[in-house]
Amino acid sequence: EDQVTQSPEALRLQEGESSSLNCSYTVSGLRGLFWYRQDPGKGPEFLFTLYSAGEEKEKERLKATLTKKESFLHITAPKPEDSATYLCAAGGQGGSEKLVFGKGTKLTVNP
Amino acid sequence: DAGVTQSPTHLIKTRGQHVTLRCSPISGHKSVSWYQQVLGQGPQFIFQYYEKEERGRGNFPDRFSARQFPNYSSELNVNALLLGDSALYLCASSLEPGANVLTFGAGSRLTVL
Repeated sequence: EDQVTQSPEALRLQEGESSSLNCSYTVSGLRGLFWYRQDPGKGPEFLFTLYSAGEEKEKERLKATLTKKESFLHITAPKPEDSATYLCAAGGQGGSEKLVFGKGTKLTVNP
Repeated sequence: DAGVTQSPTHLIKTRGQHVTLRCSPISGHKSVSWYQQVLGQGPQFIFQYYEKEERGRGNFPDRFSARQFPNYSSELNVNALLLGDSALYLCASSLEPGANVLTFGAGSRLTVL
């Protein structure tokens, strides 16, 4: 069964304190690994898609990387506005657009 | 451009009742997916529809059903509501299956009393 596990469940950082979020996945035939950001009371907002091991993508203070079993979301010099829940999702083969999501990491950045 | 729009935004029902949730995809998007997000959990896949046909179904009971209309909008129906159906129901759209990027709406918050 496809499975995605995120750690830590919650992370509290000071403004400017860099860190990484982890996403471990078990998916037969990965077609893509997705990162989303979700603010309270809102739907997930797309950040990145990674397709193959070794791939990296960056957006402002965020950088996502992918290995054969894990993905990392690195946050460099975070700001309070980066506070949100970050969701990792894996898409497998099979013809549908089903994504298997992890439970998310709730990030709080204090000023 | 309007994003994915869902209605209603909030609703309260009692056990045993029926609910219909509605979703309008981004203009030009033909694929619609539904997800259930229980508080503190990640979204869980319910259905995907493309060109009015079901293309995928998650592990949900038959009380859950959906359909897609010729204008690509979609409805999610849940019968015989249980307390455990309380959740945020998210609709997502994409250009077509395999387009890979799902754009989510803000969701419909269902509370079952």
